[in-house]
Amino acid sequence: DVKVTQSSRYLVKRTGEKVFLECVQDMDHENMFWYRQDPGLGLRLIYFSYDVKMKEKGDIPEGYSVSREKKERFSLILESASTNQTSMYLCASSPGQGRYEQYFGPGTRLTVT
Amino acid sequence: AQTVTQSQPEMSVQEAETVTLSCTYDTSENNYYLFWYKQPPSRQMILVIRQEAYKQQNATENRFSVNFQKAAKSFSLKISDSQLGDTAMYFCAFKTSYDKVIFGPGTSLSVIP
Repeated sequence: DVKVTQSSRYLVKRTGEKVFLECVQDMDHENMFWYRQDPGLGLRLIYFSYDVKMKEKGDIPEGYSVSREKKERFSLILESASTNQTSMYLCASSPGQGRYEQYFGPGTRLTVT
Repeated sequence: AQTVTQSQPEMSVQEAETVTLSCTYDTSENNYYLFWYKQPPSRQMILVIRQEAYKQQNATENRFSVNFQKAAKSFSLKISDSQLGDTAMYFCAFKTSYDKVIFGPGTSLSVIP
């Protein structure tokens, strides 16, 4: 089975702090994604990566950056956390090469106070 | 803009009955992929079923089937013989080019014993 893990299930940070969310997948998938999930809005794509060191902006990249130094790891960085970034953050990966189904991690519920 | 709409924020169904969740999407592309994902309470999001737009035959996975109407841009999910474990948030999703996936706002399904 594909396993996607995220570094924390719950995280509480203060406004202005730098926040790192880590995601690791163990199935050699080409593509990795970061979403935020808010009630009534579904999942919104923040950033995605289709190869090591490659990244593409999603629909809501403002206030976020990402890093993909190794194929299995995709990090989301909040440079200066703000209260409107309080949300559930989901990481996902997909095989690529004609296979587009996504495999999700358990999510990180981030609260910024 | 490409969008996915789920017009039913909440639904309920009696155990063992059949329920249909609706989804419509908007795109100008001809080749694309559609998905239904399930997110049980406090658990990871998992893929339920997928459909390639070039295939006329509706996809089925055990008790789950879809009604894909390409001209109407409609992609509904039918759950037969509903079980308590089907209680979850269901997201319809649509894959654009470059492996970017757009999610709908979700439908919360409750299976009543």
